[in-house]
Amino acid sequence: EVQLVESGGGLVKPGGSLRLSCAASGFSVTNAWMNWVRQAPGKGLEWVGRITRKIDGGATDYAAPVKGRFTISRDDSKNTLYLQMNSLETEDTAVYYCLALQSIGCWGQGTLVTVSS
Amino acid sequence: QAVVTQEPSLTVSPGGTVTLTCGSSTGAVTSGHYPYWFQQKPGQAPRTLIYDTSNKYSWTPARLSGSLLGGKAALTLSGAQPDDEAEYYCMLSYSGGRVFGGGTILTVL
Repeated sequence: EVQLVESGGGLVKPGGSLRLSCAASGFSVTNAWMNWVRQAPGKGLEWVGRITRKIDGGATDYAAPVKGRFTISRDDSKNTLYLQMNSLETEDTAVYYCLALQSIGCWGQGTLVTVSS
Repeated sequence: QAVVTQEPSLTVSPGGTVTLTCGSSTGAVTSGHYPYWFQQKPGQAPRTLIYDTSNKYSWTPARLSGSLLGGKAALTLSGAQPDDEAEYYCMLSYSGGRVFGGGTILTVL
């Protein structure tokens, strides 16, 4: 069964850091177009960033609001995707989802990140 | 950054047909934008319905179809059921990333 499970969310103060994990099963993150998406309370979906397949170079791209603060990486041996979030702002408060695109089409259940003093 | 536009809300009668659209501020939506469609119900994670304009998953209801229509990506629901009531999001690909539309709240009434 194809599945994504996020973890690592929680409460953090403005300016702090947090690392989210997304453990995959049923497919290899190495061969998938993996993305992070977030949803602020009561708002729509917002694309955060992506990492391309290893065969496509493993390049990363980020949305403008998080560029320079967030970093996406992948541990192929653990079949896990990560989102390192630094210099967090209150506007980063959201449920964070990982998403595998194309023929996989799988979402995780989400993990809540709350940035508040 | 490009802006992706969707109808804020639509209503369809049970058994009826409705088309949701997804436009781009940069011009016509093409297959090169690799349109996706997602469904989200309250309190749940989103679910992917369509990828690359018109490709379905094993879980995508047969009554849903994706296409390009009049310079936009389109999601057509034929034979609406109460279970189709949800918010629907499209997502388009641009150089350097992807952008979601604001979502369409679909009511079956």
